[in-house]
Amino acid sequence: AQTVTQSQPEMSVQEAETVTLSCTYDTSESDYYLFWYKQPPSRQMILVIRQEAYKQQNATENRFSVNFQKAAKSFSLKISDSQLGDAAMYFCAYPPWDQGGSEKLVFGKGTKLTVNP
Amino acid sequence: DTGVSQDPRHKITKRGQNVTFRCDPISEHNRLYWYRQTLGQGPEFLTYFQNEAQLEKSRLLSDRFSAERPKGSFSTLEIQRTEQGDSAMYLCASSPRRLDTQYFGPGTRLTVL
Repeated sequence: AQTVTQSQPEMSVQEAETVTLSCTYDTSESDYYLFWYKQPPSRQMILVIRQEAYKQQNATENRFSVNFQKAAKSFSLKISDSQLGDAAMYFCAYPPWDQGGSEKLVFGKGTKLTVNP
Repeated sequence: DTGVSQDPRHKITKRGQNVTFRCDPISEHNRLYWYRQTLGQGPEFLTYFQNEAQLEKSRLLSDRFSAERPKGSFSTLEIQRTEQGDSAMYLCASSPRRLDTQYFGPGTRLTVL
């Protein structure tokens, strides 16, 4: 089954603090990509960060970083120095290439992040 | 570099009517994807194209749904005989190559009365 699990429907963080959003997935592939997307209210989905599974080094993009644990199939997103503009739905996603070579993305149900001033 | 565009942004229709949505991908992106997103859920895959070839369709895509990408550029998604359960946000995304980042458009919000 193609599953992506985001166990935190909602999270909140104080401005300037750090928050971690969790994601687990299921694949039998050894080489794949993982993505975190951000969807602000009534705005379009944008890529936050991506991780290539064959790379042992965790991806980093400015204040955003991942904690990728391949054996545990865990891919969490850490947001440092949270800003009001970080408030959004965050989706974890991956392409289930082990399912007949599919190129689609399978998304989790999302985590709604609130940033408190 | 212009992003993915979708038209219309909002569509309200009566049950039983046909609707058509358009997606213009980022130029030179040969892969184009359609997803559906309902309130409080992540996007669900509908179908995707590599150039003009439709390579995969979800079981969510009933025979009332049809998608085309006739010249490998823009794509249309048509829903015939709309039902209230079709109310959702329809998202289009494009990508330059296999398993690369998918770039999303703003979506078309469909409301079926």
